[in-house]
Amino acid sequence: DGGITQSPKYLFRKEGQNVTLSCEQNLNHDAMYWYRQDPGQGLRLIYYSQIVNDFQKGDIAEGYSVSREKKESFPLTVTSAQKNPTAFYLCASSIASKSSGQPQHFGDGTRLSIL
Amino acid sequence: AQKITQTQPGMFVQEKEAVTLDCTYDTSDPSYGLFWYKQPSSGEMIFLIYQGSYDQQNATEGRYSLNFQKARKSANLVISASQLGDSAMYFCALLSGGYNKLIFGAGTRLAVHP
Repeated sequence: DGGITQSPKYLFRKEGQNVTLSCEQNLNHDAMYWYRQDPGQGLRLIYYSQIVNDFQKGDIAEGYSVSREKKESFPLTVTSAQKNPTAFYLCASSIASKSSGQPQHFGDGTRLSIL
Repeated sequence: AQKITQTQPGMFVQEKEAVTLDCTYDTSDPSYGLFWYKQPSSGEMIFLIYQGSYDQQNATEGRYSLNFQKARKSANLVISASQLGDSAMYFCALLSGGYNKLIFGAGTRLAVHP
């Protein structure tokens, strides 16, 4: 079945440590996105990518980095510069389109906590 | 600036009844879209329904319909014949400018009672 796979489901970070969240999709979508969700809140965009080897900052990119070396993969690194990383992270993908309402399809998320 | 507002932090409804979840938006773009997603307690986001700003008719998908009032800038989700499995968080999202960027509201938690 086609879909988006995020791993791990749960992740713990120590002080000063970088951690990388994995996101893989087999939907042949060009566009991929990373969101952060804090308890009781909506999703906020961290980074997005419309095409391989290109990505743009979202609304809350500070303390995060991404790469897009393959169409299927869009890993997110939470760096030690992100002082409050505890949150639920969701990866999404969609057909890249400027105008039509192509829905974003989401993975099951990764829950990151500080040790 | 683009903005989405969901004013109902929580709602409850009796099983088999209909419920309306409110969503208002603000955008200066003449062309935009509105999405509704469902988030069960397991965390995944499930796409429910989409309404384009130029669509002449309100969108419907099974038990879900969208009450789109463009002049009032509202896009309320109507769930008919509620089921226990409808208990979840519901998010309204605005398609912002180009390239399918979404702005999400804070969400409404729906509880369906037997």
